[in-house]
Amino acid sequence: RKEVEQDPGPFNVPEGATVAFNCTYSNSASQSFFWYRQDCRKEPKLLMSVYSSGNEDGRFTAQLNRASQYISLLIRDSKLSDSATYLCVVKRAAGNKLTFGGGTRVLVKP
Amino acid sequence: DAGITQSPRHKVTETGTPVTLRCHQTENHRYMYWYRQDPGHGLRLIHYSYGVKDTDKGEVSDGYSVSRSKTEDFLLTLESATSSQTSVYFCAISDMEASNEQFFGPGTRLTVL
Repeated sequence: RKEVEQDPGPFNVPEGATVAFNCTYSNSASQSFFWYRQDCRKEPKLLMSVYSSGNEDGRFTAQLNRASQYISLLIRDSKLSDSATYLCVVKRAAGNKLTFGGGTRVLVKP
Repeated sequence: DAGITQSPRHKVTETGTPVTLRCHQTENHRYMYWYRQDPGHGLRLIHYSYGVKDTDKGEVSDGYSVSRSKTEDFLLTLESATSSQTSVYFCAISDMEASNEQFFGPGTRLTVL
């Protein structure tokens, strides 16, 4: 079983709609959680960190559920420019390495 | 954008040849990482460095070696390239004491024939 698992998608989303997807992690010692965004043939870039209380950054909302070991990302009012692959990333309490999920592809269409 | 570059950006080589990829940073970050990205596997850590001459293995280190003789440079070497090492290679840097964020280079697309 992979340490971080994501639905690969693609999620086809009409422009202006809301889309949400989850990521599950297997290691209960995981401490920190992030969403990275990766455009086609580009490098990953940090989208947002995920805090225990949930957090929002503009149209993006991230949630963490430690009991069920998953994190989620919700995108409201989707824009064409939101089309990308979203990578779920987990960091353990010990060490300085990140573990990446395989990514969820989102395609926003007019 | 973080000052991180990779060279070469594209390379085609033959099985059995040695290959060295270079990662260069201008941010003076302590930590540097090499990942490979393949369909169905996501990003997987090959090796990482936590200082000059200090390196450690990641989850897919077999067939790869690294060196870091200066803070700004982290080299990844494939001693004898195999077709299974065809991949996109990303270098990343971080200043873990200050932030958990990793900044990635633009990637190197390597094809081993």
